[in-house]
Amino acid sequence: DIQMTQSPSTLSASVGDRVTITCRASQSINRWLAWYQQKPGKAPKSLIYDASSLKSGVPSRFSGSGSGTEFTLTISGLQPDDFATYYCQHYKSYSPTTFGQGTKVEIK
Amino acid sequence: EVQLVESGGGLVQPGGSLRLSCAASGFTFSSYWMHWVRQVPGKGLVWVSHISDDGSSTSYADSVKGRFTISRDNVKNTVYLQMNSLRAEDTATYYCTTHYSDSSAYADWGQGTLVTVSS
Repeated sequence: DIQMTQSPSTLSASVGDRVTITCRASQSINRWLAWYQQKPGKAPKSLIYDASSLKSGVPSRFSGSGSGTEFTLTISGLQPDDFATYYCQHYKSYSPTTFGQGTKVEIK
Repeated sequence: EVQLVESGGGLVQPGGSLRLSCAASGFTFSSYWMHWVRQVPGKGLVWVSHISDDGSSTSYADSVKGRFTISRDNVKNTVYLQMNSLRAEDTATYYCTTHYSDSSAYADWGQGTLVTVSS
């Protein structure tokens, strides 16, 4: 089974900062990588799919990059609404999916 | 607008059963695979099960295989998760999800329904 590892587990940042979260796969997953945001008590929200495609309606300060085994989620200019936990996910058509363990972005 | 609304959660004793439902609207339900994902309080997201668009193909996480059954009704636009032989470790919020039209990544999520297994 493919394992997904996020780093860091927790990130302290200030409003306006540029924030980068890394997700590594235990083997190559092409670009089958998505990112989700979750706030306490709420359902996850989809941000990015296919490594770098932004879901419609998601602010452009969110961006994704990478392929193979290493991926990043970047928030350019952190906003108060962005303090949340972020998950990466490996997916493949017709197959079970795997999530990373999450990265909590908290206020410095 | 896509809407996924889960229901059926609650408190159940160990060994008991529950059936979760997820009512879908705003998209052509019969054309999309549907998924269940769960989250233990304070922990991460874990895939539970998925079902093909026509219901002919299903898959389960090892932790629920043989105890949970996923099904769908493409007339009622609803996906179900029948959970039997429930254990304390099944306590979690259960989300239904569906994918993008051009990707298998999850595009939309329901609000979740909490299942608590406790005596």
